[in-house]
Amino acid sequence: QVRLQESGPGLVRPSETLSLTCSVAIASVSSGGYYWSWIRQSPGKGLEWIGYIHETGKTNHSPSLKSRVTISLDTSKNQFSLKMTSVTTADTAVYHCARGSKIYGMDVWGQGTMVTISS
Amino acid sequence: SYVLTQPPSVSVAPGKTARITCGGDDIGSKSVHWYQQKPGQAPVLVIYFDSDRPSGIPERFSGSNSGNTATLTISRVEAGDEADYYCQVWENNSDHWLFGGGTKLTVL
Repeated sequence: QVRLQESGPGLVRPSETLSLTCSVAIASVSSGGYYWSWIRQSPGKGLEWIGYIHETGKTNHSPSLKSRVTISLDTSKNQFSLKMTSVTTADTAVYHCARGSKIYGMDVWGQGTMVTISS
Repeated sequence: SYVLTQPPSVSVAPGKTARITCGGDDIGSKSVHWYQQKPGQAPVLVIYFDSDRPSGIPERFSGSNSGNTATLTISRVEAGDEADYYCQVWENNSDHWLFGGGTKLTVL
């Protein structure tokens, strides 16, 4: 059974860079034609798609996050990562990684990791 | 930009049928996915490609999509179905995912 696990600091200072990694077990990030995504959920709010990386290396991110987001793939470790620069308290949220496809949706999710932006 | 509109809340008595809608311009031309999220848990895919169920999802969950509205239908609602439900589409124009605002299903 495919598993995804997020990891990274639970506390980040305002204006600094948030860095998270999603480790993938069983499946390979470099096959299957999947879009490996990051999604977040601010306290009491809905799901917000952050961005994805495809196995081809193609990336895309939510326009609302402008150019603060970088998503990369490490095929040697079977992981993908999120970097978000210039964070503010509005970026405090639970961050999930997920595997997805256009037709089949996001069928596997990580449990999520809480990231608090605070000085 | 494309917007998905869901009612904030839906209430239903046990054993009855719940219908949760997801509105969007010509959403019938898109593939709609639905997720269930219980408190403190990761979302779970319950419907993909408008009306297909992943393995392990009860037949009580069904979906439809036509015109400007997609609908998630939960038949014979149980207390365990109480959760937030989100619709999702792939926006072809911009090549990215989009979630609806979510609907809280309350089982009375």
